[in-house]
Amino acid sequence: QKEVEQNSGPLSVPEGAIASLNCTYSDRGSQSFFWYRQYSGKSPELIMFIYSNGDKEDGRFTAQLNKASQYVSLLIRDSQPSDSATYLCAVSNNNDMRFGAGTRLTVKP
Amino acid sequence: EAQVTQNPRYLITVTGKKLTVTCSQNMNHEYMSWYRQDPGLGLRQIYYSMNVEVTDKGDVPEGYKVSRKEKRNFPLILESPSPNQTSLYFCASSLTSSGDIQYFGAGTRLSVL
Repeated sequence: QKEVEQNSGPLSVPEGAIASLNCTYSDRGSQSFFWYRQYSGKSPELIMFIYSNGDKEDGRFTAQLNKASQYVSLLIRDSQPSDSATYLCAVSNNNDMRFGAGTRLTVKP
Repeated sequence: EAQVTQNPRYLITVTGKKLTVTCSQNMNHEYMSWYRQDPGLGLRQIYYSMNVEVTDKGDVPEGYKVSRKEKRNFPLILESPSPNQTSLYFCASSLTSSGDIQYFGAGTRLSVL
């Protein structure tokens, strides 16, 4: 069974802090990795994607991928209350897309 | 505006009454997919389609049917809904495969009584 695991949280950080979200996956053939943000009652929206080992930065967000450890993470710098949401990790191998159950993040003012 | 449109947004029905949830995208995407989202389980793929007339099962296809007669449309059909199909459903599309960025519809909240 191919799995994507995330800590369900809730993860609570103060405004301005760094939030660190983690995800592990079981399928070693996975090729594409995504982080989606989902506000309550809304549809997922893409935050970051990463295909290669290492770090990828986009504004306040950094995705980190380590294929050897089967680990992908998302760092949110200078966290804002508007970042409070559930973050979904998604992993794809060809047309097999798997999502984690999500980590709920709360940023307190 | 580029978008994925699902209808209806909310649906309450009874066991055994056939229903269809429509999904349409205007981005000329080849790949389309249906997911269900349940508390604690995340998003699970029901069916996906790589192009017109090409569909395949995802993780949880039992009790569902799909069709892809046109590139833009990918309806989800529940022939005989049961209470365990009560869930939040999302349609998504991407350019060529699940390895591309997926764009999601607004979701359909289905309750089967």
